[in-house]
Amino acid sequence: DAKTTQPNSMESNEEEPVHLPCNHSTISGTDYIHWYRQLPSQGPEYVIHGLTSNVNNRMASLAIAEDRKSSTLILHRATLRDAAVYYCILRGVNTNDMRFGAGTRLTVKP
Amino acid sequence: DAGVIQSPRHEVTEMGQEVTLRCKPISGHNSLFWYRQTMMRGLELLIYFNNNVPIDDSGMPEDRFSAKMPNASFSTLKIQPSEPRDSAVYFCASSVQGAGSLAKNIQYFGAGTRLSVL
Repeated sequence: DAKTTQPNSMESNEEEPVHLPCNHSTISGTDYIHWYRQLPSQGPEYVIHGLTSNVNNRMASLAIAEDRKSSTLILHRATLRDAAVYYCILRGVNTNDMRFGAGTRLTVKP
Repeated sequence: DAGVIQSPRHEVTEMGQEVTLRCKPISGHNSLFWYRQTMMRGLELLIYFNNNVPIDDSGMPEDRFSAKMPNASFSTLKIQPSEPRDSAVYFCASSVQGAGSLAKNIQYFGAGTRLSVL
């Protein structure tokens, strides 16, 4: 999988939007962008994924740059329960494994 | 659905002892993954299986580690002999490898086994 770059940590206030960036300048045309998060003392959980178009689901939105070299995970209203490490991962269309980086540790302040 | 079930949740053992970690994937899932997480190295993929067959074990640290999947509903990760540097949280995950785009496959993780080797 191609490499991704994320900030080590970010802070947000409760009930405010959060934009978590991810750079993936070496992404190939068939790589999907996946986001997982890991709450304290739990295993990672899927958040969202996309290829070219922006995506929305009940948890978050994913905004993908036109050149696909970067993407942003958007939490529309952060809650204390959203405090976690967020991982941005590229997955090739023909691979079934994922390689996690260091992720971004999100702290949500009340 | 109970999700991915791992046992034990915590394991404390002494150096040199054999350790066996267990995983029951979600029913119907045909891919299974073992990961290890430490503060220093983060989350590392150790090995994964498709349809009970090991596909990529390049992440297995050394010969002391072995993994098996005798059937679709059970997998084990064994460490023999264990060493203090094996102390970590071990996660198992499962997914469905579909006929379509593999990149859509979502992995579902268990709660992990926290291993301490003294």
